[in-house]
Amino acid sequence: KNEVEQSPQNLTAQEGEFITINCSYSVGISALHWLQQHPGGGIVSLFMLSSGKKKHGRLIATINIQEKHSSLHITASHPRDSAVYICAAPNQGGSEKLVFGKGTKLTVNP
Amino acid sequence: KAGVTQTPRYLIKTRGQQVTLSCSPISGHRSVSWYQQTPGQGLQFLFEYFSETQRNKGNFPGRFSGRQFSNSRSEMNVSTLELGDSALYLCASSIGDLPNQPQHFGDGTRLSIL
Repeated sequence: KNEVEQSPQNLTAQEGEFITINCSYSVGISALHWLQQHPGGGIVSLFMLSSGKKKHGRLIATINIQEKHSSLHITASHPRDSAVYICAAPNQGGSEKLVFGKGTKLTVNP
Repeated sequence: KAGVTQTPRYLIKTRGQQVTLSCSPISGHRSVSWYQQTPGQGLQFLFEYFSETQRNKGNFPGRFSGRQFSNSRSEMNVSTLELGDSALYLCASSIGDLPNQPQHFGDGTRLSIL
């Protein structure tokens, strides 16, 4: 089973700071997902990437397939970025199609 | 384009009862996946349906079941409810099957077992 680890578990930042959230996985994958969950439960898919880097507004996701590691960066963070960020990787050889990290709770203070 | 719709949003049941949750995917999406989210275990994959066929099932007991209809709408059923089944149940749809497609999530059904 693919093991997915995220760090840090909790992150507090001041508005405007550069944020990095890390995700590592144990088994080679075809694509990795980054999700955002706001209080109240709704989940938004931010990125699905299999190589290199993707950018959407102030969010940037990178992946290093050889090192089995991905990062999510937020530039010029804003209080509305406060949410839980979750990475998910495909499972190889197991019954679960996707395995999720425990999530990183980000709080951005004004 | 309408998003993924889950009903009901909130549900309260007692132990031993059964429950059926519904998910209407985005029009044109053929894959529907279900997830359970609890504070202790986080997000866990329940099952995926594609074109009315269950493709995968996660490590959940047989009390958890589901189905998908020809219009891609999906239902999941939990029988003989236990306290530990209290959770947020999320469904997500995608054009193709997991794991190499972006998913669109519904707002979830929050199930509380008394």
